[in-house]
This record gives sequence, structure tokens and C-alpha cells, in this order.
Amino acid sequence: AQTVTQSQPEMSVQEAETVTLSCTYDTSESNYYLFWYKQPPSRQMILVIRQEAYKQQNATENRFSVNFQKAAKSFSLKISDSQLGDTAMYFCAFMKHAVGDYKLSFGAGTTVTVRA
Amino acid sequence: NAGVTQTPKFQVLKTGQSMTLQCAQDMNHNSMYWYRQDPGMGLRLIYYSASEGTTDKGEVPNGYNVSRLNKREFSLRLESAAPSQTSVYFCASRVPTGGGDNSPLHFGNGTRLTVT
Repeated sequence: AQTVTQSQPEMSVQEAETVTLSCTYDTSESNYYLFWYKQPPSRQMILVIRQEAYKQQNATENRFSVNFQKAAKSFSLKISDSQLGDTAMYFCAFMKHAVGDYKLSFGAGTTVTVRA
Repeated sequence: NAGVTQTPKFQVLKTGQSMTLQCAQDMNHNSMYWYRQDPGMGLRLIYYSASEGTTDKGEVPNGYNVSRLNKREFSLRLESAAPSQTSVYFCASRVPTGGGDNSPLHFGNGTRLTVT
């Protein structure tokens, strides 16, 4: 079974500043996928960014970028120019690349509060 | 475009009562999932269905049953509710026919269940 660890239960950041959320995972697989999801107070789960393990280039989506370190099994999320609407809980998720096995494992989440 | 629709949004049960949580998706997705979300524990997989006609246990299946009624619908049943099943339940789906392995999960808006 895969384990996903988010070691920061809560983070606080000033508006327009940068915050980095950590995520580590444990797997013996060589090919897999990683995701960050955002859950605002509305409870809706929203995909923020995804990364394929076979790609060395770090994924970027507007103000969101990841630092994927495969050897270290680390997948951190950087939020640049933080906005009040970024206030949410953020979940890191892992899915191995295996036909017929489509389970996603989630970390415990990090609550991010953006201060005005 | 409804996406993933869950009903009901809220439910209160007494210990020992039964109920079924309904989920339907209109995105022609093959795989469907039921997760529960508890504080400090992230999302844990209860059951999933990789394709129509198949279901598999996830991390925390005890006390639950599922039915993949057709490609669109995936229901979760609590036969005899217990206070430990108080949680927020999310249905999700992914992978349209012909879609890639890195297809993300699309979530419903969740059901908040309280068992007294």
C-alpha cells in the first residue's frame, strides 16, 4: 500500500507572498502519478496540478508549481503571489500506473490560510 | 453539465439505521469511487469500481456495501449505521473511455453524515 505524508497540518501566508506545502510518499513503483487537490470551505474538491513520475520537468499551472524529487519521493507544491481565494485545505494524492488498479491514496491535508 | 452528483447533501441517522448514498456521473467515466473524509486523516478509500460490473474494497470497507448499478451510478450502503461512520462522504469518478491513465478524479460535493 502506498503512504502519502503531509507533515504540515496548517500554514499561514500573507497575501501576495509565496508558500510551499510539503508531501512525501512511500512506494516501490517506478511509474506513477501525483496530484494536488484543493478543498475550499465550500467542500468542493478541485484539481490543482498533476505530475507524471516519468517526466523530469516539474509541472506548472499559473501560480501553482511543484518540485518533484523522485529519488527523495517528495512532491511539494508552491503557491506564488498568494490570493485570498487560495485559502483552502490542500491534499496530495498518489496513484500508481497499473492497469486495473486505479486507487488514489491521499495525504491528511494541509490547511492554508491567506491573510489580507 | 452536472459532473458528479451526490444525494443527499446532509443526513442524520440513529445507530442501527440503514441508508444508501447515491452517486451519478454524466461524463462517461469508467471508474467510480467512494471516499470518506475525517479530520486529520484526509480522504480514505472505502470502495471503488474500476469499470461497470466490477467493485473492489479500498482501505476502510468494513460496514459498507456498494453497487455499480450501471456505468453512470455507484451507490454506497450502510446496513447498520454506527457513530464511527459519522463523516463526510465523497463520490468521485475518472477516466473517460479512451482517456489517459493520468486522468484526475472528479468529485461530487459530498454528503455530511451524522450517526447518533
